[in-house]
Amino acid sequence: GAGVSQSPSNKVTEKGKDVELRCDPISGHTALYWYRQSLGQGLEFLIYFQGNSAPDKSGLPSDRFSAERTGGSVSTLTIQRTQQEDSAVYLCASSLAVGGSYNEQFFGPGTRLTVL
Amino acid sequence: DQQVKQNSPSLSVQEGRISILNCDYTNSMFDYFLWYKKYPAEGPTFLISISSIKDKNEDGRFTVFLNKSAKHLSLHIVPSQPGDSAVYFCAALNAGGTSYGKLTFGQGTILTVHP
Repeated sequence: GAGVSQSPSNKVTEKGKDVELRCDPISGHTALYWYRQSLGQGLEFLIYFQGNSAPDKSGLPSDRFSAERTGGSVSTLTIQRTQQEDSAVYLCASSLAVGGSYNEQFFGPGTRLTVL
Repeated sequence: DQQVKQNSPSLSVQEGRISILNCDYTNSMFDYFLWYKKYPAEGPTFLISISSIKDKNEDGRFTVFLNKSAKHLSLHIVPSQPGDSAVYFCAALNAGGTSYGKLTFGQGTILTVHP
């Protein structure tokens, strides 16, 4: 596809359930990023991948959050035992590489997660 | 600790006039800055960027100015158009260490351009 795609677009789940969010980056982009935007907040960095490895996981809020990337392409963000404070829009972005002008990150439309 | 700050939550401008969106940062390791525009229910869209070795970058109606000594950047839109109405985010890139790929965003400024 031409841009970053994310699925599902909306997810409603019950507290305590696990959820998986998927991101398909732009073809050829080696770097992939996850952010989230909670109500009334700016974008909060979660994790990024350079290829299949994640040099920086510092933004993951707790050990209930994990992410993986396989084949240098698709990434999944998993939230275990979801809590109401996990409700947010989860945004994925990709860039050609990391650093300087290559860090012009292109965003997907996001997944709106609602935890009841 | 908010390392990138957009102190104006909103800005209202008349069509045809200049819009000036401001951003301040505290981390001296930031060496690349970007502006994104976001419409409701869409992901942010890249607008324009600037490296810390420059003080100005222009692209059509959009110009970004960087004042490193003041740790301040601004986005100028001239002339403003109603279609520019959106949330504008300032973002900064860390220069080193394991955070090299991480964008730090401001809280956003809602721009409304009135016809």
